[in-house]
Amino acid sequence: QKEVEQNSGPLSVPEGAIASLNCTYSDRGSQSFFWYRQYSGKSPELIMFIYSNGDKEDGRFTAQLNKASQYVSLLIRDSQPSDSATYLCAVGNQFYFGTGTSLTVIP
Amino acid sequence: SAVISQKPSRDICQRGTSLTIQCQVDSQVTMMFWYRQQPGQSLTLIATANQGSEATYESGFVIDKFPISRPNLTFSTLTVSNMSPEDSSIYLCSGVAGASGVYEQYFGPGTRLTVT
Repeated sequence: QKEVEQNSGPLSVPEGAIASLNCTYSDRGSQSFFWYRQYSGKSPELIMFIYSNGDKEDGRFTAQLNKASQYVSLLIRDSQPSDSATYLCAVGNQFYFGTGTSLTVIP
Repeated sequence: SAVISQKPSRDICQRGTSLTIQCQVDSQVTMMFWYRQQPGQSLTLIATANQGSEATYESGFVIDKFPISRPNLTFSTLTVSNMSPEDSSIYLCSGVAGASGVYEQYFGPGTRLTVT
């Protein structure tokens, strides 16, 4: 398995704050990057994908990719308690998953 | 998007037996994958299910233990053979659809396996 690393957390932020999640990967040739959200007892669901360096925004979510530094991040603005979940980073055409970061948004 | 179903949703099995998990996608997908997820852990890729040919296994997983079939573009099975308690886990099927370099992966609801 290609190495994909995330801070396991748990990460706690107050409601309305910005949550920042980070992911680093070892395969410099990776071209595709994905962020998933997984609620306890449920399957992962895709939040965003990003292929190009820079930022990609979708509503309250922004994915940031830096291929030179081999990291991809996810920012969640105006965090809500419903955002409390485990966030998984996946890399490459085989979708290798990171270890996941548990996020808790405190009302 | 694609909707993926898995059967069974859960099972309790005796050690030494085998279980086959079925995965059905409601539309054609480019790739299908099988993952394992231990409680509180992330997803570990078992193999890529290839249509009409042998699956491509990741390091640590072998065909004798996890035989996989994919007879067409919408269906795949994973068998967990000669089970031991260490095989207790959630097994997830996924399908990837897309074109022009833009791909999205969809997951089935998972099969929760307990081996006693």
